[in-house]
Amino acid sequence: GAVVSQHPSRVICKSGTSVKIECRSLDFQATTMFWYRQFPKQSLMLMATSNEGSKATYEQGVEKDKFLINHASLTLSTLTVTSAHPEDSSFYICSARGREETQYFGPGTRLLVL
Amino acid sequence: DAKTTQPPSMDCAEGRAANLPCNHSTISGNEYVYWYRQIHSQGPQYIIHGLKNNETNEMASLIITEDRKSSTLILPHATLRDTAVYYCIVMGYGQNFVFGPGTRLSVLP
Repeated sequence: GAVVSQHPSRVICKSGTSVKIECRSLDFQATTMFWYRQFPKQSLMLMATSNEGSKATYEQGVEKDKFLINHASLTLSTLTVTSAHPEDSSFYICSARGREETQYFGPGTRLLVL
Repeated sequence: DAKTTQPPSMDCAEGRAANLPCNHSTISGNEYVYWYRQIHSQGPQYIIHGLKNNETNEMASLIITEDRKSSTLILPHATLRDTAVYYCIVMGYGQNFVFGPGTRLSVLP
């Protein structure tokens, strides 16, 4: 299947700082990328959907000013967690979708905010 | 809310077939059935998807009932590496994936 990468795989930061996570589709062009969050022992929750060149669509309850999403090209989307707090500690997973509806997921980024 | 219902957990002996059921009684005519799995601390991995007909690939087989209200994912010869949470997702064109709790499959030696 298609390959999606994420960087970094894990990050530890201090409370109040910002963290950027990159998501890349390596062998296909992703017209749409998705960002999910997963807390321990829970399922994935969709945070936002982004289409290349346009503003992201955020799910209810997700603060767009806190979770900045940029989808500048057909192979790259970034999620920036601004002014991170301990409650933002989670497993962040991106996925990418090309022409077909199938989504391919990245390996995830584990964020720990101290 | 997820449109599917799956058993929370299942066990399977190594080398035997693992049959994972999924109920999707409210599925619409244009909605596909997708299966993904998530191994601990990794992103979900695509397995297979189908609309009406049964599907098979190198990983698994997907059996969809004629009325499309349920389906079964079959791993023909389960190995220890197949231990994971398996998600059954129903999705139509332009819709987003909604993940339920899935089925935690434990393959036992």
